[in-house]
Formats: sequence, structure tokens, C-alpha cells
Amino acid sequence: DQQVKQNSPSLSVQEGRISILNCDYTNSMFDYFLWYKKYPAEGPTFLISISSIKDKNEDGRFTVFLNKSAKHLSLHIVPSQPGDSAVYFCAASETNSGNTPLVFGKGTRLSVIA
Amino acid sequence: GAGVSQSPSNKVTEKGKDVELRCDPISGHTALYWYRQRLGQGLEFLIYFQGNSAPDKSGLPSDRFSAERTGESVSTLTIQRTQQEDSAVYLCASSSLGGPSTDTQYFGPGTRLTVL
Repeated sequence: DQQVKQNSPSLSVQEGRISILNCDYTNSMFDYFLWYKKYPAEGPTFLISISSIKDKNEDGRFTVFLNKSAKHLSLHIVPSQPGDSAVYFCAASETNSGNTPLVFGKGTRLSVIA
Repeated sequence: GAGVSQSPSNKVTEKGKDVELRCDPISGHTALYWYRQRLGQGLEFLIYFQGNSAPDKSGLPSDRFSAERTGESVSTLTIQRTQQEDSAVYLCASSSLGGPSTDTQYFGPGTRLTVL
């Protein structure tokens, strides 16, 4: 039973346009959410995070939105650049339960077309 | 500074053999995590070390899997009597405080294990 779901395995976007990556979760105890980016043959790298006390967090071209009632979060990248092409993983944790490992989705492969 | 390193980068083994995978975390990081990613899947938690506390082994898929960590340094993940379903990329991550709300997990490049 997947607790973190990324239902779109892939996404293609034109350079300069907005990329929207979606993530749904089922565990209502999750209170911290992260996005990681992964290039081939490299480990995932942290991109941006959001605590459940917020509904939006912005860092440059990257913004994460959290809708707790819908158990949904999304990552917006604007404007998209070819270097953004990678696999993006959504992850979640229950920090109130102590130090718990991250639960990851299966990832969405983003291709930004020049 | 140096990031998380893992060795070997690739390992091909025959079914039934034992393998050892190594992780060198970022210096000073007290928490260390092992994950694996099978083809087409997300990252799956295996085991977590935090300082001198007993490790959280709740993610280990079978008793063929074990891991050790010496103090707050190197960790070794051992898979005994490997099976074809063990084929995956094994990723190690470390963080300084062990809590994702206070610090980020930094990942190594992974070890790609192929069991023939």
C-alpha cells in the first residue's frame, strides 16, 4: 500500500513554461514534505520542503503547495529550463513521531524541451 | 566539502553469493539511512542509524539483510545469499540531526546491484 503516490510517471514541458508535478499521500500523520531531484547515476538531491503548518513555500523558480485537506502537494517550476530535466521524487515524514525515515513516491520524470 | 560516498558504484554477483555495500557519510552527520530503489519504484527505506541508539531495522525485507555502523562513521550493508529480487540501486543518506524537519538528508550516488 503506497502512502505517497505520484500518479504521473512522466511529464514533458516546453522550455519557459510552467512544470507542475503532483503528489498525493494517504497517511494523515505526515507533517513534513520534501521534493528531491535525481539525475541518472546520481543520488537524489534535496530541492525544497514544506511543513504542514504552511500551505506554500517558495525558493526561486520552485514553489511547493500543500493542501492538507486533500492530502495533496504539488511542485511548480517556472520558468522551466532544460537543466530541470530529471526524475522528481516526493517524500513525506512523521516528524512528530520522532526521527522517522522518509517515505518516497515512485517519481515523475520531467523532460523540458528546448 | 565531501558529500556522501558509496562503494562500489556497481556490483554484479551470482545468486546465492553474499555482498557488502559501503557508505561513508558526511563527516559530523549523526544519522545514516539506507534505502533501495528497484526498477520503476520509489525509494524504499531499509534501516536507520542515529548516534549510539539502537538502529531502526523496520524496513529490512528479510533476515538476509543486515547493516552495521561504526560510531558516527562508515556503514556497511550486507546481503547474504543474494536473490534476483535483490537487484536494485542501494542508496545511503546522512543528516546532521536525524530529523527531516530540522535537517536535510543528503544522498550518495548509490550502488547498483545486479544479481544474476
